[in-house]
Amino acid sequence: GEDVEQSLFLSVREGDSSVINCTYTDSSSTYLYWYKQEPGAGLQLLTYIFSNMDMKQDQRLTVLLNKKDKHLSLRIADTQTGDSAIYFCAEHNNAGNMLTFGGGTRLMVKP
Amino acid sequence: DSGVTQTPKHLITATGQRVTLRCSPRSGDLSVYWYQQSLDQGLQFLIQYYNGEERAKGNILERFSAQQFPDLHSELNLSSLELGDSALYFCASSVWQGETGANVLTFGAGSRLTVL
Repeated sequence: GEDVEQSLFLSVREGDSSVINCTYTDSSSTYLYWYKQEPGAGLQLLTYIFSNMDMKQDQRLTVLLNKKDKHLSLRIADTQTGDSAIYFCAEHNNAGNMLTFGGGTRLMVKP
Repeated sequence: DSGVTQTPKHLITATGQRVTLRCSPRSGDLSVYWYQQSLDQGLQFLIQYYNGEERAKGNILERFSAQQFPDLHSELNLSSLELGDSALYFCASSVWQGETGANVLTFGAGSRLTVL
């Protein structure tokens, strides 16, 4: 079955790097996603990675994928107060149509 | 504005009542997904429609039903409401048609349901 897990909470200081971790169980996952949810808003796609890639970088965001350990991480460089939000990882495999989401990690950035 | 429109934004009702949540997908998207977000359950997939037909079903209660209309908008009907149904209900849409490739979901802002 599919199960995606994340730690609940992360607190960092402004200017530091944030690393949000995620583990998943479905080895047939083809794509893995990171979404951001700000208060009172829906989920917004940040980035995604294909399962045959190890790393993807997009400006301040770096995604690392360890397929052997089924571990995904999102690194935010130079974290800003505007990055405070809940971050969700999600997996998708071609056997299903939907994305399965983790419980979300609440990132708090202190000035 | 994500392009996915959900109404109403907020809804307060009593136990035992029935409500309908509405979603208009982003222009060009044929797939519509419904998710429920509650504090203790996280983001749970309920159901997906593609071009008017049900494609996948998740943890959707029998008291809940959904449909997608010919104009591609979708409605989620929640009946015999219980206190535990209080949650944020999200609609998302995508262009994904079952082929290989990423399935990028675009989410609406959600409908917050409070059952008293």
